[in-house]
Amino acid sequence: SQQGEEDPQALSIQEGENATMNCSYKTSINNLQWYRQNSGRGLVHLILIRSNEREKHSGRLRVTLDTSKKSSSLLITASRAADTASYFCATDLNSGNTPLVFGKGTRLSVIA
Amino acid sequence: GAGVSQSPSNKVTEKGKDVELRCDPISGHTALYWYRQSLGQGLEFLIYFQGNSAPDKSGLPSDRFSAERTGGSVSTLTIQRTQQEDSAVYLCASSLADRVAYEQYFGPGTRLTVT
Repeated sequence: SQQGEEDPQALSIQEGENATMNCSYKTSINNLQWYRQNSGRGLVHLILIRSNEREKHSGRLRVTLDTSKKSSSLLITASRAADTASYFCATDLNSGNTPLVFGKGTRLSVIA
Repeated sequence: GAGVSQSPSNKVTEKGKDVELRCDPISGHTALYWYRQSLGQGLEFLIYFQGNSAPDKSGLPSDRFSAERTGGSVSTLTIQRTQQEDSAVYLCASSLADRVAYEQYFGPGTRLTVT
């Protein structure tokens, strides 16, 4: 079963607007990561936030983590058409050396 | 190259045939992962190699699936007697550390189509 679930499943916005995607998970984690995927091929790592962190920034990306609610959000500010992609959250389960567990992703479309 | 490479990029095979998918991780990365992604879905973990430890095979969907990693580097995922439900993109990733608390670097994937 999926550990992480992204919300919404699909999001369409105009260029220049902000895009917010949410991720909820079920069990305790060490870290949460966000990845981007273009055209159903390889994923690219965007940002990692550790369980003791609440917020992290990288360029136009802002990630928050609320461990009490078991949720994270990814905010892309001033979106561009090139941001069109699928975005996945992935969690590192707090139960030893286990692989990342990915959600089903949010498909973001940025319309120029 | 500097990234993870996978071959072939596309593979079309007939039902019942065996296929081999190859992954070349980034040099020096001790951990290697195989995932499967069906159309419009998230990634499904298949198998994980870490150094010389026994691989974590808990995600393999059936005994038709197997993987090996030779010399701690190149990995081959083998699917025997392919079925139509095996059609998917197979993604390989590698990472540096002996824990998965580090980013994974993904290859471009192999798109497998079983007819």
